[in-house]
Amino acid sequence: DVKVTQSSRYLVKRTGEKVFLECVQDMDHENMFWYRQDPGLGLRLIYFSYDVKMKEKGDIPEGYSVSREKKERFSLILESASTNQTSMYLCATLPRDRRLQETQYFGPGTRLLVL
Amino acid sequence: KNQVEQSPQSLIILEGKNCTLQCNYTVSPFSNLRWYKQDTGRGPVSLTIMTFSENTKSNGRYTATLDADTKQSSLHITASQLSDSASYICVVSGMYNQGGKLIFGQGTELSVKP
Repeated sequence: DVKVTQSSRYLVKRTGEKVFLECVQDMDHENMFWYRQDPGLGLRLIYFSYDVKMKEKGDIPEGYSVSREKKERFSLILESASTNQTSMYLCATLPRDRRLQETQYFGPGTRLLVL
Repeated sequence: KNQVEQSPQSLIILEGKNCTLQCNYTVSPFSNLRWYKQDTGRGPVSLTIMTFSENTKSNGRYTATLDADTKQSSLHITASQLSDSASYICVVSGMYNQGGKLIFGQGTELSVKP
């Protein structure tokens, strides 16, 4: 019954490292999203993609990039990790068809610690 | 400017009691409103979703209400259980042509004590 998976539950990286977070979905949803969640700030949208090879900046894209080469996979890339990128990262999906938008599925999250 | 405000920030209740969580929003135009439950260390899981034409929707012991005129929603939990301890997040969606963005509230942290 797993719908959205993320490559790691926990990740520890050093400042300056390049970090890849992967998200894979099996529901054939067109839209995929990357959020980060921090205490007191709620979920904030980093990037989203509404189709293969398409991407749009969210509210806080600085320091991040994304890749959507296949419909089922959406990757978040931290080119040079910094300590202020320590956070919980959540991937989500949404179908394009409004009649199917009963819910939005989230992955289990990746807790990233940058030292 | 936060367009979705939730209250209270945190809440402690005894097992078996009822509680109500509030969500006020200013998002316009409005498409739908979702309530999510997020257990510690997990991704959010949807409880209910309502469009502007719906006033109430239930999912087991969870009942959500929506007043699109006053832009207010509530989530009522009946006969609380220890497993209800979680963060409850209100999420409002603008019209779909805004790119499918969802606007999240900061959540209410509910703790149910025995």
